[in-house]
Amino acid sequence: GQNIDQPTEMTATEGAIVQINCTYQTSGFNGLFWYQQHAGEAPTFLSYNVLDGLEEKGRFSSFLSRSKGYSYLLLKELQMKDSASYLCAVRDGGANNLFFGTGTRLTVIP
Amino acid sequence: DAGVTQSPTHLIKTRGQHVTLRCSPISGHKSVSWYQQVLGQGPQFIFQYYEKEERGRGNFPDRFSARQFPNYSSELNVNALLLGDSALYLCASSSHTTAGSPLHFGNGTRLTVT
Repeated sequence: GQNIDQPTEMTATEGAIVQINCTYQTSGFNGLFWYQQHAGEAPTFLSYNVLDGLEEKGRFSSFLSRSKGYSYLLLKELQMKDSASYLCAVRDGGANNLFFGTGTRLTVIP
Repeated sequence: DAGVTQSPTHLIKTRGQHVTLRCSPISGHKSVSWYQQVLGQGPQFIFQYYEKEERGRGNFPDRFSARQFPNYSSELNVNALLLGDSALYLCASSSHTTAGSPLHFGNGTRLTVT
């Protein structure tokens, strides 16, 4: 089976740094994705990791350790508009289907 | 460029009815996937189609079916609707099935079953 765990909610202060963790147990692994979803909107792609290590893209970075089944999304210089749900998703095998966690709802406060 | 478009945006149906949801992928994308998102949960995989063939199916009952047309647009059909089918149905497209190509999601169809 597939199991992806993320914290349900997090709160952080504007301008700060926040790390959102994701652990996964899947029968196969072919990449891990992070998506951002604002309330009532579609998920939007943030990052992709398939090899161990850190991928940096502006204020957002994502890390992967395949041996530990662990990833995190790092958001720097938080802005109010970063308040959203952050979804961790694993691609299992060669198909294009993603298995999503329940998402972490991040609230950025002034 | 237009993103993934879905119609309708909202729909209210009664238990036992059937529904058809439609999706147009990003131009040039040949892979379309359908996901169900219940409030407070992450999206759950229903189907994936590539070049008009089913490439994957999630753990959903046979009441759920889908197809992809020659222009790569897609339909999701749900028969004998249950209250538990109330959810946001997301369509996503990608350029190909290999790893690394992200899914691009539409804004979804909000289905309410009463």
